[in-house]
Amino acid sequence: DQQVKQNSPSLSVQEGRISILNCDYTNSMFDYFLWYKKYPAEGPTFLISISSIKDKNEDGRFTVFLNKSAKHLSLHIVPSQPGDSAVYFCAARFGYGQNFVFGPGTRLSVLP
Amino acid sequence: EPEVTQTPSHQVTQMGQEVILRCVPISNHLYFYWYRQILGQKVEFLVSFYNNEISEKSEIFDDQFSVERPDGSNFTLKIRSTKLEDSAMYFCASSEGQGLTEAFFGQGTRLTVV
Repeated sequence: DQQVKQNSPSLSVQEGRISILNCDYTNSMFDYFLWYKKYPAEGPTFLISISSIKDKNEDGRFTVFLNKSAKHLSLHIVPSQPGDSAVYFCAARFGYGQNFVFGPGTRLSVLP
Repeated sequence: EPEVTQTPSHQVTQMGQEVILRCVPISNHLYFYWYRQILGQKVEFLVSFYNNEISEKSEIFDDQFSVERPDGSNFTLKIRSTKLEDSAMYFCASSEGQGLTEAFFGQGTRLTVV
């Protein structure tokens, strides 16, 4: 079952540059998407969300883009900081509730 | 800052034994959840709980699992007869509302079944 895919298991970016994390999904019924960040030995932390009625949502350094026709979303972090180094999960659902389908995660390393 | 707390941080149990994982959600939250992540695999939804009953559950949440809110603060996940494949990190989460409200996660309990 690969409904939500994050094809890059890891990504390294220089401090100050842009980080782009990608996520693809197969279920066209998905209508709400989240990005979570996870540090080792901690639970996931909510970062940003986007509903399928939008194609962009921005919160400070974090911007999520949604391309429904391509079933693709991406998280942009500008500028990247060493504290952003973590595993980033994309998650999707349709309807209401918390039955999100998670991607496998991408480990981001921001190098000083 | 309010947070979701889980105890214990690591639980080792023998196969076939019952285990209870405990969580204290954020105090004004009304919706409670359990997720799990088997080592090297995806985070998976188990169950959501509202108004003292299960509101949603996944295929993983079979008769071996149960949840309870025994008092005003705790939210527990019980696994009746643990199997080796139950070994995972279990995350509790809570949210103020349903729908578009994002859940806050605890730090997780690592369950090891031997």
